[in-house]
Amino acid sequence: AQTVTQSQPEMSVQEAETVTLSCTYDTSESDYYLFWYKQPPSRQMILVIRQEAYKQQNATENRFSVNFQKAAKSFSLKISDSQLGDAAMYFCAYRFGGGATNKLIFGTGTLLAVQP
Amino acid sequence: GAVVSQHPSRVICKSGTSVKIECRSLDFQATTMFWYRQFPKQSLMLMATSNEGSKATYEQGVEKDKFLINHASLTLSTLTVTSAHPEDSSFYICSAIRAGIDYSNQPQHFGDGTRLSIL
Repeated sequence: AQTVTQSQPEMSVQEAETVTLSCTYDTSESDYYLFWYKQPPSRQMILVIRQEAYKQQNATENRFSVNFQKAAKSFSLKISDSQLGDAAMYFCAYRFGGGATNKLIFGTGTLLAVQP
Repeated sequence: GAVVSQHPSRVICKSGTSVKIECRSLDFQATTMFWYRQFPKQSLMLMATSNEGSKATYEQGVEKDKFLINHASLTLSTLTVTSAHPEDSSFYICSAIRAGIDYSNQPQHFGDGTRLSIL
């Protein structure tokens, strides 16, 4: 069974600094997708970034980038130039790429605080 | 595009009441919708996968008779918590996948969630 592990329950970063959130996963599949979702206090789930396993290049979305290490089954999120609005719960998620299931498996989350 | 509306956003009711939560895809058709439950400061736990026109697929440990799911159209899925009790109090979130050819490549679009409180 696939599992997603986030080993950092809470993280803190100073405004304008850089922070990296860790995520590891376990799967025997070769075709899958990885995601980072942000959940602010409003509890809306916001897709931050997505990575296809078959792509070697790390995904980047403005200040957000990932370090995807397929062999190590690691998928960390780097937030550059942190802003107060980045404060939220961040969830790493895995989805099998084949078949019709399309189910997301979420990690336990990392609560990010941004200090002014 | 890809807006998912969830209603109500918050509901408070007495123990023993049945509560219905709606999940609508506003600007796209969704053959598949998902229902999640989230306890405070915890992750999202998938409860069931809702497929239009067929029975929902429930995750292990989720009571089918307690959490009734109906997906009668391509834009609406409903979750009914029957005879709700205080332990059913939680945050419930739905998501939807746009119908299309490349199903496996479609992202899930989330609703804003429903906070259910049973007194």
